[in-house]
Amino acid sequence: GESVGLHLPTLSVQEGDNSIINCAYSNSASDYFIWYKQESGKGPQFIIDIRSNMDKRQGQRVTVLLNKTVKHLSLQIAATQPGDSAVYFCADPQLRAGGYNKLIFGAGTRLAVHP
Amino acid sequence: DADVTQTPRNRITKTGKRIMLECSQTKGHDRMYWYRQDPGLGLRLIYYSFDVKDINKGEISDGYSVSRQAQAKFSLSLESAIPNQTALYFCATSEKNLQGNEQFFGPGTRLTVL
Repeated sequence: GESVGLHLPTLSVQEGDNSIINCAYSNSASDYFIWYKQESGKGPQFIIDIRSNMDKRQGQRVTVLLNKTVKHLSLQIAATQPGDSAVYFCADPQLRAGGYNKLIFGAGTRLAVHP
Repeated sequence: DADVTQTPRNRITKTGKRIMLECSQTKGHDRMYWYRQDPGLGLRLIYYSFDVKDINKGEISDGYSVSRQAQAKFSLSLESAIPNQTALYFCATSEKNLQGNEQFFGPGTRLTVL
């Protein structure tokens, strides 16, 4: 079946270091991905997205890389801050005829930022 | 002000009770979704709706029902709650977009079934 998964359940980094969170997907027809951040006690919030016609997309302190050959994407956070501590999900909006989007989420990676 | 709100935020109930979780949105989105989240797992889709009175089953709809009587509201019901329905429940909304787009999530409802 289709799946989106993350390689590590927990990632610990020092404040100021760069963080890399990885995600693998199984559906080679997937052409759009979203990264969400979920802070404790809150719902997921959109961080950045990428379409399959791109290999890289940059936001503010975040970069998403997409490798379609190996069906892998990563989220890079530069100069990680304590406020970045959260669970990060990659999601694959599944499009069907009629245009609906259903998100298939990975299990999530918990990012812990230490001073 | 929050664009997607959920009530209640926390609920403790007993096995066999009927429970309703409410979701309201001011974003004007046509599409609404209900997910549940369990520890260590991602979000799993329960039901979704593309418009008023449109209802579609998601991955794990058994034991749940929903109602979409207005664009701004999407309610989730547990007809007879059981302990394994203890979870964090999220409502989400999105625009109608053929190319895929983000979903906006509410703050969640923590449900405990004893």
